[in-house]
Amino acid sequence: DADVTQTPRNRITKTGKRIMLECSQTKGHDRMYWYRQDPGLGLRLIYYSFDVKDINKGEISDGYSVSRQAQAKFSLSLESAIPNQTALYFCATRGREALEQYFGPGTRLTVT
Amino acid sequence: GQQVMQIPQYQHVQEGEDFTTYCNSSTTLSNIQWYKQRPGGHPVFLIQLVKSGEVKKQKRLTFQFGEAKKNSSLHITATQTTDVGTYFCAGADSWGKLQFGAGTQVVVTP
Repeated sequence: DADVTQTPRNRITKTGKRIMLECSQTKGHDRMYWYRQDPGLGLRLIYYSFDVKDINKGEISDGYSVSRQAQAKFSLSLESAIPNQTALYFCATRGREALEQYFGPGTRLTVT
Repeated sequence: GQQVMQIPQYQHVQEGEDFTTYCNSSTTLSNIQWYKQRPGGHPVFLIQLVKSGEVKKQKRLTFQFGEAKKNSSLHITATQTTDVGTYFCAGADSWGKLQFGAGTQVVVTP
């Protein structure tokens, strides 16, 4: 959806570097999510936020942190990137009433 | 915790044939959602099933939710090349958090 944008779309970084992935949405949704996708593993939840003051860990939060700067912005940080964090990262949003999630285009991250 | 398993992982289909992908949860689900991801794309919501035994159709796609709300299936009839992609089921808990299956990657041979 063009309503959910992610930057950068592709990134190559070195082990030990700090990196931030950004997500913005114009859908007016209060719920935002970060997932990572690895071949054969589907999408796994890293962090989620129900509003600006509510941040929750998902099933694979170790090595990641997030910041909800505003209702429309949710950033994912890798404090010290490692090669097994190489993956495709998706941001998603959801409205309060509806249950479906809307995904951004994804960020392909490679850690060398 | 909740686990969602999806089979098969890969499905090669001749154009015009039918196929089914299955989704099973270790726990009872509040609802189940299906998403499709085209090659190089992002997951796109297809449908949501909420009621026990619910069946919904979208053109050639038929979605079913099991009576015990622990399993679901997606059946595609007369497969077309536009059906290529990976189909994910996602089980929702009472908080609306989704647990995705690993997906079924569908390849269509003309």
